[in-house]
Amino acid sequence: NAGVTQTPKFQVLKTGQSMTLQCAQDMNHEYMSWYRQDPGMGLRLIHYSVGAGITDQGEVPNGYNVSRSTTEDFPLRLLSAAPSQTSVYFCASSRKPGLAGEQFFGPGTRLTVL
Amino acid sequence: AQSVAQPEDQVNVAEGNPLTVKCTYSVSGNPYLFWYVQYPNRGLQFLLKYITGDNLVKGSYGFEAEFNKSQTSFHLKKPSALVSDSALYFCAVRDPNNTDKLIFGTGTRLQVFP
Repeated sequence: NAGVTQTPKFQVLKTGQSMTLQCAQDMNHEYMSWYRQDPGMGLRLIHYSVGAGITDQGEVPNGYNVSRSTTEDFPLRLLSAAPSQTSVYFCASSRKPGLAGEQFFGPGTRLTVL
Repeated sequence: AQSVAQPEDQVNVAEGNPLTVKCTYSVSGNPYLFWYVQYPNRGLQFLLKYITGDNLVKGSYGFEAEFNKSQTSFHLKKPSALVSDSALYFCAVRDPNNTDKLIFGTGTRLQVFP
């Protein structure tokens, strides 16, 4: 299994540009989520999904959209990039909601917005 | 509000000495607690979790953690540190109002010196 994969690894955007961060998992996990990691702030939840067709907001959802058309994929869209969105983004998945199982993390995407 | 505190930004320890990385939590109800480790330029990796039962939890790479309900703590420990243990460590608690949503601490950088 490849586990959780993320593309791209690095991205530089100009303010106002849009882009999609890709996330895929091959473990048939129902739960997927996106976090951003900023120095001194730990990881903060952006959006999450408990299954295909179901998404919900985390604690910092503004400026981001998600969709979950398949179990495997959970892309994160930046609608109009801002310098405040410069961060490292992690996608994570876990087997089934409510089991308190461990989450598996992707390698991250480092995004810089100029 | 649910929260996790990691009071030390950095912990330094000599190789072969015991190490402790501190974590305290504030959550309503019974806590589900986790430790994750992040090596440079990598995603987070699960180390161990406490759900219920024995207060001493054993995890990967020789790490263990002690749950203390009266002190609302979940400190990470290892009897003998290795240089390869140097990494960023995150404590997390499951949000009791939202299954599988994790609330992370700000992280503690562990530096093990030869």
